[in-house]
Amino acid sequence: NAGVTQTPKFRVLKTGQSMTLLCAQDMNHEYMYWYRQDPGMGLRLIHYSVGEGTTAKGEVPDGYNVSRLKKQNFLLGLESAAPSQTSVYFCASSLGVSSNTEAFFGQGTRLTVV
Amino acid sequence: GENVEQHPSTLSVQEGDSAVIKCTYSDSASNYFPWYKQELGKGPQLIIDIRSNVGEKKDQRIAVTLNKTAKHFSLHITETQPEDSAVYFCAATPVFPSGGGADGLTFGKGTHLIIQP
Repeated sequence: NAGVTQTPKFRVLKTGQSMTLLCAQDMNHEYMYWYRQDPGMGLRLIHYSVGEGTTAKGEVPDGYNVSRLKKQNFLLGLESAAPSQTSVYFCASSLGVSSNTEAFFGQGTRLTVV
Repeated sequence: GENVEQHPSTLSVQEGDSAVIKCTYSDSASNYFPWYKQELGKGPQLIIDIRSNVGEKKDQRIAVTLNKTAKHFSLHITETQPEDSAVYFCAATPVFPSGGGADGLTFGKGTHLIIQP
């Protein structure tokens, strides 16, 4: 049982380049989330999904797009990377029932935009 | 939206002593309060959580207390050990009968806990 797997683990981009971060979970969770973690800022929600085919904006959505075409995958896209998007990105998933709300996190993707 | 404040940002304690981390939240609709531990190079991992219908919860050396009236909750770690060194995050979210924490967790900024040998 792998849990939540993020690909890639590290990436360096040039300003203006695009890329997609992939999150895969094998726990049959309904809810999936993308957070970014910056020093002294904690984790901030970028986008989330409450089920296959649905997405919604979080606290800091600008400059990012997401898609949830399959229940087990949640993709985060950067269309034109900026230095301000240098961060560590975490994907998380949860079952989506009120009695079990634990969120499971991936290992993170460290992205540097130069 | 929800706003979670966490203090202190850094906490250094002697091995064997207790550590306390405090958080406040702003949204009275929040009713689920998890605590996550993040070790270097890893993703956050849930260590304990509490819901608003409970005032205190314990799990071995870890306990969490909640004061709904004052909108604050705290993490208590007793008999600290070197492996407790990590960054700890509190979080809050409303959980509804129709679904759990759908809008995502709002996190505090984290506490770097250092256990001195």
